[in-house]
Amino acid sequence: DGGITQSPKYLFRKEGQNVTLSCEQNLNHDAMYWYRQDPGQGLRLIYYSQIVNDFQKGDIAEGYSVSREKKESFPLTVTSAQKNPTAFYLCASRPTPNTEAFFGQGTRLTVV
Amino acid sequence: AQTVTQSQPEMSVQEAETVTLSCTYDTSESDYYLFWYKQPPSRQMILVIRQEAYKQQNATENRFSVNFQKAAKSFSLKISDSQLGDAAMYFCAYRIQNSGNTPLVFGKGTRLSVIA
Repeated sequence: DGGITQSPKYLFRKEGQNVTLSCEQNLNHDAMYWYRQDPGQGLRLIYYSQIVNDFQKGDIAEGYSVSREKKESFPLTVTSAQKNPTAFYLCASRPTPNTEAFFGQGTRLTVV
Repeated sequence: AQTVTQSQPEMSVQEAETVTLSCTYDTSESDYYLFWYKQPPSRQMILVIRQEAYKQQNATENRFSVNFQKAAKSFSLKISDSQLGDAAMYFCAYRIQNSGNTPLVFGKGTRLSVIA
């Protein structure tokens, strides 16, 4: 089935460790996005990529890094520099400019 | 910068009744898209309805309709004949219409409860 797959669904890490969240899509979409969701904050943009080997910072990029080496993959690394990494992370993709975004099922990251 | 404001953090509605969720946005652009997304307890984001700013006619999808007031920069969602499955977080979102894949800008959401 075509879709966007985020893994794992739940992730636990110790404070100070880097962690990478996976986002894979087999929809042949050009653009991919990472959002962070906190209670009462809505979805805030971390990074996005419009094409392979290119990405731009969003509103809250500090403490995060991404790569886009393949069209179908857009992993997000939460580094130890992110002061409050515990949150729900959503990945999305879009095929062309004038269409809606499609979302993965999210990863709940808990740092202890 | 574009902003999206949802002034109702929580709403409730009786089953089979109608409820309206509010959304306002701020932009200097004339061409853009507006969306309502639903996020049920599964946390999967589901597109409910979309509106192109150049269209005067309000979008409708079955029991869901919008009231788009471009001059007032208002984009409310009306849910008719509410069902228990409509209980969810609802997010209003905006995106500029251009040749690139600019990201969606989201409001903070409205949590809708449906009372049986």
